[in-house]
Amino acid sequence: QQQVKQSPQSLIVQKGGIPIINCAYENTAFDYFPWYQQFPGKGPALLIAIRPDVSEKKEGRFTISFNKSAKQFSLHIMDSQPGDSATYFCAANDDKIIFGKGTRLHILP
Amino acid sequence: DTEVTQTPKHLVMGMTNKKSLKCEQHMGHRAMYWYKQKAKKPPELMFVYSYEKLSINESVPSRFSPECPNSSLLNLHLHALQPEDSALYLCASSRGFGTGGFQPQHFGDGTRLSIL
Repeated sequence: QQQVKQSPQSLIVQKGGIPIINCAYENTAFDYFPWYQQFPGKGPALLIAIRPDVSEKKEGRFTISFNKSAKQFSLHIMDSQPGDSATYFCAANDDKIIFGKGTRLHILP
Repeated sequence: DTEVTQTPKHLVMGMTNKKSLKCEQHMGHRAMYWYKQKAKKPPELMFVYSYEKLSINESVPSRFSPECPNSSLLNLHLHALQPEDSALYLCASSRGFGTGGFQPQHFGDGTRLSIL
């Protein structure tokens, strides 16, 4: 049973474009929704996290939009750069981290 | 540089070998985790230690044996592994576990394990 659904599986965007990754969840008991970024050969690193009572959060070029009624949230990367090429995992926190399946993002130079 | 250090970075072992993975953090965190990650998949939780006591075992086979000698160290002892156990093994730590609120987990860069 997949508790956090993530799409797309992979994404290719031109430099400067705005990749968007979408996630959906079912369990309303989740209290935080973090995003992790993972480069090849590295462990996941926390990128940004949002609480369900907040509709939007920005950190630098990264923005999370959160729709509590629809139980959906998304990550937008503004002015994307080739260095943003990585795998992105959305997640939900319930003491344990429940990861989505991941999105492999490639930014073309 | 990651604040969670894992050794070794790579490990190749036969199915009859015994080896150990090590993880160390000096952030004063009291919760530590082991995850298994297969290629193109998200990390899967294996074990959680809170205040040096095992809190969660996600039905992991007994050929994986965790140990938390102190609040800074976490080991994973391996014995009689199978080829399907080949994966990236990640360690993580957080300020606490089960204490409410969001406790960000800090991941190490993992040990790439190959079982021959």
